[in-house]
Amino acid sequence: DAGVTQSPTHLIKTRGQQVTLRCSPKSGHDTVSWYQQALGQGPQFIFQYYEEEERQRGNFPDRFSGHQFPNYSSELNVNALLLGDSALYLCASSLEPGRSSGNTIYFGEGSWLTVV
Amino acid sequence: AQSVTQPDIHITVSEGASLELRCNYSYGATPYLFWYVQSPGQGLQLLLKYFSGDTLVQGIKGFEAEFKRSQSSFNLRKPSVHWSDAAEYFCAVVGAAGNKLTFGGGTRVLVKP
Repeated sequence: DAGVTQSPTHLIKTRGQQVTLRCSPKSGHDTVSWYQQALGQGPQFIFQYYEEEERQRGNFPDRFSGHQFPNYSSELNVNALLLGDSALYLCASSLEPGRSSGNTIYFGEGSWLTVV
Repeated sequence: AQSVTQPDIHITVSEGASLELRCNYSYGATPYLFWYVQSPGQGLQLLLKYFSGDTLVQGIKGFEAEFKRSQSSFNLRKPSVHWSDAAEYFCAVVGAAGNKLTFGGGTRVLVKP
C-alpha cells in the first residue's frame, strides 16, 4: 500500500518563475491538502481539495493555486515566485470528513523549493 | 479559531532518560489531536492521534500522549529516549468538521549520549 507520494523532491527556481508540485494520495483517500513549511516553523495550511474542487483555503495569496484530478491526485501551482516562497511543501491525504469521523491524515515526504 | 502552542522550542535529554513534550490547544469543541515527528529533511510521520475515548493514547516508537480537557493539553511522553528520537515534534489539532490541521511551532529534541 503506497503512502502519499510527492514530486519532485527538490527543485530550484528563479524569482518570477512558476512552479508545479505534484501529489498522489494514499490509496483509498479522496481528499488532498497542501501545507507550506518554512525553515524552523510548523506547517501552514494552504488549501484542500475534494471532488476536484477547492474546499478550504488558508491565508495564502492567489499566486497559489491547485487542482485535483479524477484519480484524486493533485497539483500545487505557484506563480510569480518570491524569495519568501522557499520552503518545504507538504501534501497530506485523508478521507472526506463526512465519510469518516476521527480521520487520520497522512503526509508525504515533501517537495523542497528554493527560490533564488 | 483553533490554535496550538508548544511552549518548549528546544529540549535536550540524555539517552535513556524520560521525555515529555508539552502541547496546549485552543478549540471550542472536542478536538481531534495529533502528534507528528519530523526528522531532518523529511516529511511528517504520525506518532499518535486522539479522537475520543480513552484519554491515554499509545502510539508508535514507544510514545504515548494524554488528553486533559480541563487543561486543554495533549502532552507527549516516552519513558526512555533513544538516540534515534532526536527530531522535531509537532502537535496539531483539527476541528471535527474538517481535515484542516493547525500546527504548533514544534519542539526540537536533542539526545545526548
